[in-house]
Amino acid sequence: EAQVTQNPRYLITVTGKKLTVTCSQNMNHEYMSWYRQDPGLGLRQIYYSMNVEVTDKGDVPEGYKVSRKEKRNFPLILESPSPNQTSLYFCASSLGSPSYEQYFGPGTRLTVT
Amino acid sequence: AQSVTQLGSHVSVSEGALVLLRCNYSSSVPPYLFWYVQYPNQGLQLLLKYTSAATLVKGINGFEAEFKKSETSFHLTKPSAHMSDAAEYFCAVRYPRGANSKLTFGKGITLSVRP
Repeated sequence: EAQVTQNPRYLITVTGKKLTVTCSQNMNHEYMSWYRQDPGLGLRQIYYSMNVEVTDKGDVPEGYKVSRKEKRNFPLILESPSPNQTSLYFCASSLGSPSYEQYFGPGTRLTVT
Repeated sequence: AQSVTQLGSHVSVSEGALVLLRCNYSSSVPPYLFWYVQYPNQGLQLLLKYTSAATLVKGINGFEAEFKKSETSFHLTKPSAHMSDAAEYFCAVRYPRGANSKLTFGKGITLSVRP
């Protein structure tokens, strides 16, 4: 089954404790992206990757890191989480062309206390 | 910079009534336009997309949207609402039409369907 998986689905952590949210897709997609969803703000792009070893900042990259060492994986790293990073995070992937739809993972709900 | 505007945050309709969710974009040239739906506790799913072919685009679950360049709009409609349509709906724009373009989402509209 074609899908985007994220782990964990739920995470509660404390300020400053490094964490990684994994994202994996099995569709051989070139383009992958991370979004955060906050009430009243819709989805905002954090980082995206056009292909292996090619990443770029989205609209809200501060406090986040990403890497793309393999085509299928695109982890999101919070090196020192803060309460304002409490949010619902989505990973998405698509073929390289911008006209193709993005396939979204199920989301990771992160709470930073 | 590209942007989309979804007026209002919540729309409520009766079952069987017309659904109309508005989306306006800002772009000097026609972008790619998308509508996504998010059901409770799930990720987003594509409803339909406009990529410069027909201006009336039909999507899944009976939804359709019409691209109107003169109004810079891409409103989503469904003739008869069903209870299962209750969800959050996002309009999104992708411009420029190049490999390095990114998807920009509107703030979303929550659709409620009354029995």
